[in-house]
Parts: sequence; C-alpha cells; structure tokens
Amino acid sequence: DGGITQSPKYLFRKEGQNVTLSCEQNLNHDAMYWYRQDPGQGLRLIYYSQIVNDFQKGDIAEGYSVSREKKESFPLTVTSAQKNPTAFYLCASSMGAFRDSQSRTFGSGTRLTVV
Amino acid sequence: KNQVEQSPQSLIILEGKNCTLQCNYTVSPFSNLRWYKQDTGRGPVSLTIMTFSENTKSNGRYTATLDADTKQSSLHITASQLSDSASYICVVSANNNAGNMLTFGGGTRLMVKP
Repeated sequence: DGGITQSPKYLFRKEGQNVTLSCEQNLNHDAMYWYRQDPGQGLRLIYYSQIVNDFQKGDIAEGYSVSREKKESFPLTVTSAQKNPTAFYLCASSMGAFRDSQSRTFGSGTRLTVV
Repeated sequence: KNQVEQSPQSLIILEGKNCTLQCNYTVSPFSNLRWYKQDTGRGPVSLTIMTFSENTKSNGRYTATLDADTKQSSLHITASQLSDSASYICVVSANNNAGNMLTFGGGTRLMVKP
C-alpha cells in the first residue's frame, strides 16, 4: 500500500538532546513537508522540500533542521535550540511542487515529549 | 494576516444526530478550502475540497458548503456515528507569488456518544 510512514510514534527527549524524526513515503510525491501541531492550534509549517537536495524554511523553522537526500525520505531533527519541542509532529507529501494546490497526504504523526 | 477560525472548539452529540461545524477565514487570494478529519493520534485525512465556484459538495454523510462572499464554510454531518468522533480541520489555500500557502484552522473536536 502506498503511504507515508513516520517513526517512531512516540519519542522522549532529554533537555539538551537532539532527536531525529523519520518520514518515508512511497507515493512518488515530489514535495514533502513537516508540520507541528499543538493543542487547539492550527498546524504550523516547519520546513518543506519541493525536490531532492532542496528545502526551504517554513513559518517556525528555528531549532529544527532537515535533509532531503532521497525523494522518499525527509527526516526532521529537533535540536537543543528548540526551547519548546513538546508537540505532535506531522509529515506530509503532495504530488506536485509547493505551488500546486494538491491535497496533502499526511503520516500518522510522532508525539515528542521533553522529559 | 491570513487566518482561519473554527467553531465550536469542541462538540458532543448523541449517535444518530446531525451537527454543523463552522469555518470563517480571512485568506487572500483564495484558491480552495479543504476539510480534513483527524482521528486521535493520527494524521489528517482529506474529506472534501471546495473551489471558489462551488457552493456545496457532499461526501457520503458529510456535506460542505462555501460562501465565498462572506468567507464562510460549514461541514454538516448527517446521522452521526461513533466513528465520526475526531477533530475536523478547515484548511484554506491561497495562491500568491510565493506559491500555494496553506492556513490551518485550530479544528473542532467532535465526540459522538452512544
């Protein structure tokens, strides 16, 4: 079945630690995105990538980093510079580039908690 | 600033009843509006998309309406089922020189009780 796989489902981070969230898609989609979801708030865009080896900052990129070495993979690293990382992180993809109005296909999310 | 406001924030209804969720937006230039359903601990799944020229669109027991003049949309759920319990998110797309920008509402959390 085609889809987006995020792992792990739950992740715990200690203060000052970097953690990496995995996102893999087998939909052959060009564009991939990372969103952060906090209770009662709309999803906010962290980073997005339209093609391999290229990515742009979204609205809340500070404290995060990404890479896009393969079309299928778009991992997100939450660095120690992100002061409030506890949230639900959603990875998404779309067939066209960012300029298209294609529907986003979302993964099942990773819940990150600082302990 | 582009904004999407949803109401109510949460809603509890009995199984079999109907309900209507509201979405008001101030997004420009408007491209389209989507309603997503998000089950707890899962990613959102698209229910329907509304373009500027469409007033109403149905997907099974879900019916979305759009009034582009007043910048309002609603999602009506008919004969609710326990599986309808989820968050419903309104997402408005704007097309400008920077590309296709999405603005997400905060969602309405619906609980259907037996």
